[in-house]
Amino acid sequence: AQSVAQPEDQVNVAEGNPLTVKCTYSVSGNPYLFWYVQYPNRGLQFLLKYITGDNLVKGSYGFEAEFNKSQTSFHLKKPSALVSDSALYFCALGAGTALIFGKGTTLSVSS
Amino acid sequence: ETGVTQTPRHLVMGMTNKKSLKCEQHLGHNAMYWYKQSAKKPLELMFVYNFKEQTENNSVPSRFSPECPNSSHLFLHLHTLQPEDSALYLCASSPTVFSGNTIYFGEGSWLTVV
Repeated sequence: AQSVAQPEDQVNVAEGNPLTVKCTYSVSGNPYLFWYVQYPNRGLQFLLKYITGDNLVKGSYGFEAEFNKSQTSFHLKKPSALVSDSALYFCALGAGTALIFGKGTTLSVSS
Repeated sequence: ETGVTQTPRHLVMGMTNKKSLKCEQHLGHNAMYWYKQSAKKPLELMFVYNFKEQTENNSVPSRFSPECPNSSHLFLHLHTLQPEDSALYLCASSPTVFSGNTIYFGEGSWLTVV
């Protein structure tokens, strides 16, 4: 069965520190992986995706994600966190005709 | 500003009411989706339309009735809902339903069933 998991409900980091939001997946065949961000009372905004090619994917707002096939992971990273990065982050797996989403990870960046 | 517009943004309805949620996309896409986001569950896919044809119904109760008159518009007709249907309903679109396509979301419609 195809699935995606975000093992952490919440990640807390200090402003200026690097951040990582974790995502693992399970799929038969090649994965299509996405990250989205949701600010309070808003819809989901696309950050980046991995389809094929370079394992390090760069996206919006300075975020990047590393695809690791052997560990079946697609962790979201940013070298230096901002308070404005505080939001709910979703990892998603392209499956069939739509996306399967993880349960989300709340990122809290303190000043 | 999003290329996917949802109205109304907020809706309160009684269990015996009939209401509709509207979605319009200005991205030239051919696939449209309804997702449900509630506090206690992950994002749930409800319906998928590709070139106006429904391609997926994720075992959604019949009190939710989608309509896709063209590739730019998607409706979700609501009737005799239950309080547990209170949630954020998200509309989305993509070029086609191919799973490698980026899906773009609207701001959502907050539904409260009283």
